[in-house]
Amino acid sequence: SQQGEEDPQALSIQEGENATMNCSYKTSINNLQWYRQNSGRGLVHLILIRSNEREKHSGRLRVTLDTSKKSSSLLITASRAADTASYFCATDVNNRLAFGKGNQVVVIP
Amino acid sequence: EAQVTQNPRYLITVTGKKLTVTCSQNMNHEYMSWYRQDPGLGLRQIYYSMNVEVTDKGDVPEGYKVSRKEKRNFPLILESPSPNQTSLYFCASSNRVRNTEAFFGQGTRLTVV
Repeated sequence: SQQGEEDPQALSIQEGENATMNCSYKTSINNLQWYRQNSGRGLVHLILIRSNEREKHSGRLRVTLDTSKKSSSLLITASRAADTASYFCATDVNNRLAFGKGNQVVVIP
Repeated sequence: EAQVTQNPRYLITVTGKKLTVTCSQNMNHEYMSWYRQDPGLGLRQIYYSMNVEVTDKGDVPEGYKVSRKEKRNFPLILESPSPNQTSLYFCASSNRVRNTEAFFGQGTRLTVV
C-alpha cells in the first residue's frame, strides 16, 4: 500500500523563488527520504531524515519531520531551472521503502 | 563508479513471450528491489530481496518472478507478459544494515502489445 503522499502534486515557480512540498504518511517510520527524478530517469537520493531528527539541511535543501503529525516538508531555496523535476518522499518501514506519488516541480527561468 | 545497471533500457514485446530484465549493482549491497512506475500511481514495489536467496513480495507481485542467486544480481522475470505490465521499471539497491539511501538504475521502459 502507498505510504507517503506528497502535497501539492504540481508546482510551478519562477527561478529564484522557494519551493515547498509536503508529505504525509500513515505508520511509524525508521526514516523518511526525499528523491528527485528527472523526466522518467532513475531516482536520485536527496536527503534522509531519521525518525528522531526534526530538521536537516543539505545545500539548498531543508527537510523537516514532524512524527506527531506524520508529515515532512521539503524546501528548495533559491530555485534554479535545473531543479525542474519530480520529487518523491519515501518512508522506510519494516525493511521496505514505500514511495508517494510525487510532486512535479517546474522552475521557470 | 557506484551504480545499478539495468538492461535493457527499452523493450517492446508481445503478450505471452517470456522476458527477463536484468539488474546488477557493484556496491555489495544486501538489499535490492524492483519497482514499477505508472502515471498517477507513483512507484509501487514489486519484489524485494534482503540478501542472497531471500526474496519477498512487495505491493504488486502478481505476474512477476525474481531470483537472488548472487548478491550483485536481481533479475525480474515476466513469465507471460500482458499489456497491463506495460510500465517503467526500476531496480534499486541499498545497504540495509546502515539503513541508508537507495540507489536506482536508469529504468527499463517495457511495452507489451
